[in-house]
Amino acid sequence: EIVMTQSPATLSVSPGERATLSCRASQSASSNLAWYQQKPGQAPRLLIYGASTRATGVPARFSGSGSGTEFTLTISSLQSEDFAVYYCQQYNNWPPYTFGQGTKLEIK
Amino acid sequence: QVQLVESGGGVVQPGRSLRLSCAASGFTFRNYAMHWVRQAPGKGLEWVTVISYDGSNKYYADSVKGRFTISRDNSKNMLFLQMNSLRAEDTAVYYCARDALDSGFYYSAFWGQGTLITVSS
Repeated sequence: EIVMTQSPATLSVSPGERATLSCRASQSASSNLAWYQQKPGQAPRLLIYGASTRATGVPARFSGSGSGTEFTLTISSLQSEDFAVYYCQQYNNWPPYTFGQGTKLEIK
Repeated sequence: QVQLVESGGGVVQPGRSLRLSCAASGFTFRNYAMHWVRQAPGKGLEWVTVISYDGSNKYYADSVKGRFTISRDNSKNMLFLQMNSLRAEDTAVYYCARDALDSGFYYSAFWGQGTLITVSS
């Protein structure tokens, strides 16, 4: 089973600033990595797939990078609606599909 | 647009059974694998199970293997999760999710709003 580890657990950033979230896989996930955003009381929303491809309708300020075991989600200029919990998920070696424990992005 | 609506949640005693349903619309249901993902209160996401587009292949997380069964009815655009021998640790919001691309197994591109299962005496 591939274990996904996200860091930091909580990230405090001011609106307009850049946020960088990390996700590490215990073994290679190739580029089969997705990022999801979840706001309180809502279902997760797909942001990024294939490690770096934005899903339909996702603003260009969201970008993903990495391959193998190290992945990054960057939000270039934080908007108020971006404060949420973010999860990475590998779909390279399954079952099981595995998620990271999440990074909570909060307003500084 | 893609719509997934879960139902069947509620409070159930440990050891009992419950069946969840997910009604799909806005896409050709029979073409896509479907997942169940759960989220315990205040916790992260946990993948539970996936079923292939035609129902011929099913995979489960170890935590539910032998207790949960996923199934689908492509004639009615419905996904199901039969949950037996429920435990307190099964308490969670259960989401159904559609796979990203037709015919294969990839990531969850679309999610329902979830249904809450509480296992408690």
